[in-house]
Amino acid sequence: DGGITQSPKYLFRKEGQNVTLSCEQNLNHDAMYWYRQDPGQGLRLIYYSQIVNDFQKGDIAEGYSVSREKKESFPLTVTSAQKNPTAFYLCASSVPLGPDGNTIYFGEGSWLTVV
Amino acid sequence: AQTVTQSQPEMSVQEAETVTLSCTYDTSESDYYLFWYKQPPSRQMILVIRQEAYKQQNATENRFSVNFQKAAKSFSLKISDSQLGDAAMYFCAYYANRDDKIIFGKGTRLHILP
Repeated sequence: DGGITQSPKYLFRKEGQNVTLSCEQNLNHDAMYWYRQDPGQGLRLIYYSQIVNDFQKGDIAEGYSVSREKKESFPLTVTSAQKNPTAFYLCASSVPLGPDGNTIYFGEGSWLTVV
Repeated sequence: AQTVTQSQPEMSVQEAETVTLSCTYDTSESDYYLFWYKQPPSRQMILVIRQEAYKQQNATENRFSVNFQKAAKSFSLKISDSQLGDAAMYFCAYYANRDDKIIFGKGTRLHILP
């Protein structure tokens, strides 16, 4: 089935460590996104990418990094520079054209906890 | 800058009743899309309904329908015959072709009372 797969679902990190959250999609979508959600809060955009080998900072990019080497993959690295990384992370993708044009679809999310 | 405002942080409705969630947005664009997403306790974001701004007809999906008022920049979601499974956080979202990204409101938490 087509969809967006995020892994791991739960991740614990020690302070000072970098961690990478995986996001893979087989929907053939061009655009991919990373959002952060804190408890009881809305979604905040971290990074997004419209095409391979290109990405832009969102509203809260500091302390995060991404890559887009393949169309189907958009991993997010949470670096030690991110001061408060404990949150729920959502990956999403969209396609610009067609009946579902500009509709964003989400993965199931990853919980990151700093211990 | 475009903004999306959901003025109701929380709402409650009796099971089987109808409830309307409000959303307003600010834009100078004429070509854009509006969405409602549902986020249940599992945290999975689920698309509820999608509206293209150039279409005057309001979108419907089973018990879910919208009241799209383009001139007023209003996009409310009506849930008919509310069910316990409708309890969730609901997010209104906006996307314009000139933009690269979708803008979300802060959400409305909907409680269904048995």
